[in-house]
Amino acid sequence: DAGITQSPRHKVTETGTPVTLRCHQTENHRYMYWYRQDPGHGLRLIHYSYGVKDTDKGEVSDGYSVSRSKTEDFLLTLESATSSQTSVYFCAISDGTSNSNQPQHFGDGTRLSIL
Amino acid sequence: SQQGEEDPQALSIQEGENATMNCSYKTSINNLQWYRQNSGRGLVHLILIRSNEREKHSGRLRVTLDTSKKSSSLLITASRAADTASYFCATVGNTPLVFGKGTRLSVIA
Repeated sequence: DAGITQSPRHKVTETGTPVTLRCHQTENHRYMYWYRQDPGHGLRLIHYSYGVKDTDKGEVSDGYSVSRSKTEDFLLTLESATSSQTSVYFCAISDGTSNSNQPQHFGDGTRLSIL
Repeated sequence: SQQGEEDPQALSIQEGENATMNCSYKTSINNLQWYRQNSGRGLVHLILIRSNEREKHSGRLRVTLDTSKKSSSLLITASRAADTASYFCATVGNTPLVFGKGTRLSVIA
């Protein structure tokens, strides 16, 4: 299995609080991604990174920010969590010179509940 | 959006039977990928087929791609109980992977 660690694995928090999820990789892959998975929607891309300090928005980026200060770490922050952000969040990584022609490797997810 | 749409949404078969899942998409792609997700786990990459390929095999998996119909199929032969999972297609064009909503496969022993 690809060396991807997501933390925490589970979190329950209240509306309005800030939340940060961490993705750590040991593969030295260039690309890192954050997705959310919800019933009826499949996986949707939130943000992705193509290098240190290089990030771009995905399909559902509103309400989320990301940072990548080191190759191995990609952080996802909910500045002020809302109940609509209750979801399972997955981090993924991929290698290569393009984000399009390599498979992605996924972590096991963070289950986030916002009450 | 070039989101893939899997069909059927759910499929239940007996062990030993073949399972076929279909994926349709909307716009031109560079490649199409299939992933499996076991309950409570992350997605696992199964196979990638490029837009200039028509068929690809990997073990008990066979993937076809018809770019003229904007569709792909995943065939799992001689299914096993361990194949029980959700299967997703994902398309790649000018943006990173865009996933469909998945097919839930149940293989009954």
